[in-house]
Order: sequence, then structure tokens, then C-alpha cells
Amino acid sequence: QVQLQESGPGLVKPSETLSLTCDVSDYSISSGYYWGWIRQPPGKGLEWIATIYGDGRSYYNPSLRSRVAISVDTSKNQFSLRLNSVTAADTAVYYCTRQYSGYDPAGYWGPGTLVAVSS
Amino acid sequence: QSALTQPASVSGAPGQSITISCTGTSSDVGGYNHVSWYQQHPGKAPKLMIYEVNNRPSGISNRFSGSKSANTASLSISGLQADDEADYYCVSYSGRTGRTLDYVFGTGTKVTVL
Repeated sequence: QVQLQESGPGLVKPSETLSLTCDVSDYSISSGYYWGWIRQPPGKGLEWIATIYGDGRSYYNPSLRSRVAISVDTSKNQFSLRLNSVTAADTAVYYCTRQYSGYDPAGYWGPGTLVAVSS
Repeated sequence: QSALTQPASVSGAPGQSITISCTGTSSDVGGYNHVSWYQQHPGKAPKLMIYEVNNRPSGISNRFSGSKSANTASLSISGLQADDEADYYCVSYSGRTGRTLDYVFGTGTKVTVL
């Protein structure tokens, strides 16, 4: 079964760029499926951020599109998220995910990583 | 992009059945059979319970079932157990931005086992 693990700074300053990486094991990203990022502010609900296919086709939440970039590195079997011009509203647990089947965006989840935006 | 509407809380006694609704629009829930449901225990990552409206992933109990009517999807849990106490979220594919991948989540429902 595929395993996902997020990594990146736990603290980012306002106006700077949040960068996270998801390491994938027990499955090759280049073999298929959609890979993505979902976040959850403390005490709040889930928000889809972005999704990418192994060939690089990417899709973004319209409300975040201007600040977000998702990319994939098949040689390292990992994919990444960059969110620029962050504010306190971007403080959240960030999860990396893999599609299960069909149009489900997140059948498999990493444990999540908390990113706080604060000076 | 508005979130799908779920009741804030639903409760039931052990052994009973409950249903959680997830209401959207014809641009998301009503327009596609692409609704998933997730269970989230405190401090844990969500877990997929239902995908494509009414399909259970491998290993998920048949006490969980999904359905859809018009713009509302539903998750039903029968034979309620203590471990079912968790937050539940729906998500739907959304076509409101055109022919591209786009998802909208529900507001979440806290299930309490009395």
C-alpha cells in the first residue's frame, strides 16, 4: 500500500513562501494516479488545494490559484507544494494525498504537517 | 466557491442508524456521481469511507453506505459503534470552473455516539 510523508518548515513568516514536499513510497508516481494537497486550519474543515498527475498536468483551487504551484519529481518519487505570500489564514495542517479511484481526490493520506504562519 | 452544506452534528445511540446529508448544487453534487466521504478522528488524517457516491474501499465495513438524490448526497451508518464517533466530511467534484479538475468539501459533521 502506498505510503505518503509530508516534510517542510513548521513555521513560515508572513509574506514569505511555504514549501512542502511529499515523499512517496511503495508506489511509483510515474505509474499513474492523481497526487494532491489538502489543508485543514486548526479546528476547521478541509480545503482542497491542488492536484497533479504523474505527467505534470496540474489543477488548482480557484481561490488559491494565483499563489500556488504543485510540481512532481519522478526521479525522487516525490511531489511538492509552494504557496507564496502567506498570511495567518494559511496556518493549517497540510496533508499530501493520492487518489483512490475514479474522481476521489484522496484515498490515501500522509499523517499531515502543521505549518504556522507567524512573525 | 462555497462549501457543501452538512449538518454541524448528528448523534445516535449504539446500534442505531444515522444519516449525514451533504447539500450542494447542480454544478457539483447534483451534476456528477463523484462524491466521496471521509471519517476523521481527532488528531488523525481523514480516512476514505465512500467514493463515487456509493462505493466502499477495500476494508471498509458495509455498515457505511452512500447515496445521492438531486443536489444532496448522504452517508448512512448502521449499527452505530463507539468508534464511529468522529468528524465526517463529504467532497464533490465541481464543474463550476469548466472542464478542469476542481473539488469542493463539505462543512463537516460531528457524529456523537450517545
